[in-house]
Amino acid sequence: EAGVVQSPRYKIIEKKQPVAFWCNPISGHNTLYWYLQNLGQGPELLIRYENEEAVDDSQLPKDRFSAERLKGVDSTLKIQPAELGDSAVYLCASSRLGRVSNNEQFFGPGTRLTVL
Amino acid sequence: LAKTTQPISMDSYEGQEVNITCSHNNIATNDYITWYQQFPSQGPRFIIQGYKTKVTNEVASLFIPADRKSSTLSLPRVSLSDTAVYYCLVGGLDTGRRALTFGSGTRLQVQP
Repeated sequence: EAGVVQSPRYKIIEKKQPVAFWCNPISGHNTLYWYLQNLGQGPELLIRYENEEAVDDSQLPKDRFSAERLKGVDSTLKIQPAELGDSAVYLCASSRLGRVSNNEQFFGPGTRLTVL
Repeated sequence: LAKTTQPISMDSYEGQEVNITCSHNNIATNDYITWYQQFPSQGPRFIIQGYKTKVTNEVASLFIPADRKSSTLSLPRVSLSDTAVYYCLVGGLDTGRRALTFGSGTRLQVQP
């Protein structure tokens, strides 16, 4: 089966500019996750969707970050305006609907964002 | 919230067995233990998951003692391609976010 697809793979923007990342999960996976990963650190959860509902967005900086998952399939993560500290890798993952405690997540390759 | 503690880094040579231990002293009754592997420029990849005793698959084994306060990921006969960061996650039914907390992981370097 096809894996999680993310685009773009790399993005370089100037601070205060907007940026958007796109994710297409594995077919049939109802749960979708967005993570942020800084260099040398593990992924940090930003938001988790079950179908089209955001069930955990407590760590999403809502003043500048937004996400949507229309029709419960593809998802877009947006930053507006971007700040220097937003430079990181943004990972998308998906899994079958179920308990997150024991649900295998499948990750995409990530989008590496550089804010100048 | 239960917190996991892993060594920051480990070194090994090809052909050796590598054991990475994760401490999770506050593990709850319903918590599972999951390990992921991450190569540079890739997203993490699920390796193995367990609840108690021993679990083995084609990639690794997971040993969990009776008190479940720690777990050990065992990689038999490592090769250069096993050089990666390994993450231990712990979480249960009522702790969605905790089950998705990766921490800093263990950086394994395998040398020829």
